[in-house]
Amino acid sequence: DAGVTQSPTHLIKTRGQQVTLRCSPISGHKSVSWYQQVLGQGPQFIFQYYEKEERGRGNFPDRFSARQFPNYSSELNVNALLLGDSALYLCASSLDPWGNEQFFGPGTRLTVL
Amino acid sequence: GEDVEQSLFLSVREGDSSVINCTYTDSSSTYLYWYKQEPGAGLQLLTYIFSNMDMKQDQRLTVLLNKKDKHLSLRIADTQTGDSAIYFCAESPDNTDKLIFGTGTRLQVFP
Repeated sequence: DAGVTQSPTHLIKTRGQQVTLRCSPISGHKSVSWYQQVLGQGPQFIFQYYEKEERGRGNFPDRFSARQFPNYSSELNVNALLLGDSALYLCASSLDPWGNEQFFGPGTRLTVL
Repeated sequence: GEDVEQSLFLSVREGDSSVINCTYTDSSSTYLYWYKQEPGAGLQLLTYIFSNMDMKQDQRLTVLLNKKDKHLSLRIADTQTGDSAIYFCAESPDNTDKLIFGTGTRLQVFP
């Protein structure tokens, strides 16, 4: 079975641009969470979606948004990119949002110049 | 508040045991996790422990939980060079999927 997949693998953008990152959960998983991992730090929680509804949001500005589709895949959008948005963006999936094991994808490395 | 702390670096000789420590703050966390991250890769779930347990063993891995002191440790027996990576502990407050991660401990194994 395929694990969590994310696309693209790498991305380079300039300040002020917008970016969309994509995530496909493990088959049968209905909950998707997004994390930002800045170099040298642990991942920081951005969003959680379950059954297309936002169930949790971390301390990130409104430039960050996400959505979940009927097939449970998800997109993370970041507008008006800043240099500080450069990070590894990780997607995790689980069966449901109540403390089950979460499985992470390989991440998308975003570089903002 | 939410804060998970780990020591930054650990160096061990191949074949020895490694012990990685973590302290957390949220007593409502139902599960506590250990993840492994190799260079340029995502996170691999190693093991987790339910908050009403004191210990969990899984092959070479042993997790100890001291809930009173909010202290979690991961022991890796017979450490191998392939165990070299960054290890993160994480808590999940209020039985949700929101994970609070520590800063990670870089484990270096030398021959």
